[in-house]
Amino acid sequence: QVQLQQSGAELAKPGSSVKISCKASGYTFTSYYISWIKQTTGQGLEYIGYINTGSGGTNYNEKFKGKATLTVDKSSSTAFMQLSSLTPDDSAVYYCARPGGSGAFDYWGQGVMVTVSS
Amino acid sequence: DIQMTQSPASLSASLGETVTIECLASEDIYDILAWYQQKPGKSPQLLIYDASSLHTGVPSRFSGSGSGTQYSLKINSLQPEDFASYYCQNGLSAPTFGAGTKLELK
Repeated sequence: QVQLQQSGAELAKPGSSVKISCKASGYTFTSYYISWIKQTTGQGLEYIGYINTGSGGTNYNEKFKGKATLTVDKSSSTAFMQLSSLTPDDSAVYYCARPGGSGAFDYWGQGVMVTVSS
Repeated sequence: DIQMTQSPASLSASLGETVTIECLASEDIYDILAWYQQKPGKSPQLLIYDASSLHTGVPSRFSGSGSGTQYSLKINSLQPEDFASYYCQNGLSAPTFGAGTKLELK
């Protein structure tokens, strides 16, 4: 069965970076992009961008350019998102998700809670 | 970006009732619309895609309809496991989500 397994919760200091992972299983990894989505109580669900798992090409929501960097390791079927220059506004749950077609995300990771605090 | 306006923000209903959640897009999204269910502490789960197509394994009491800028999610005969938050999502261009509807047990 399709699974997206994300890394564990992160506690980070302002100004630092974190890198979270999303390991895919149960399907051919390079047949689907991986997208990333941020969820906060205040802003709801926000789309960050996607990575083409075959070519490594990326596309970012304008709001997250310079904040998020998406990469992929095909050998381990794992996608990564690095968040840099962290501020308290980056505190959120971050999900990876598989775009299954028709613009919908058919499978989601369990989410990673990132807390930015001094 | 396409804005998605979802209503109501919260909804109280009883077991066995039928409820409808609405989603209004700021422009025509040509039925490229998805609905998700999210329970506390869990990730969103896809219910409906292409406005009216049921995702694999989703019970038939869930249905989606609409076109153009107006869409709705209907849940027939509410079951205990249906009390959750629901989100619509535009899939036409850069994905955007509605603010959510929290469905609570009356």
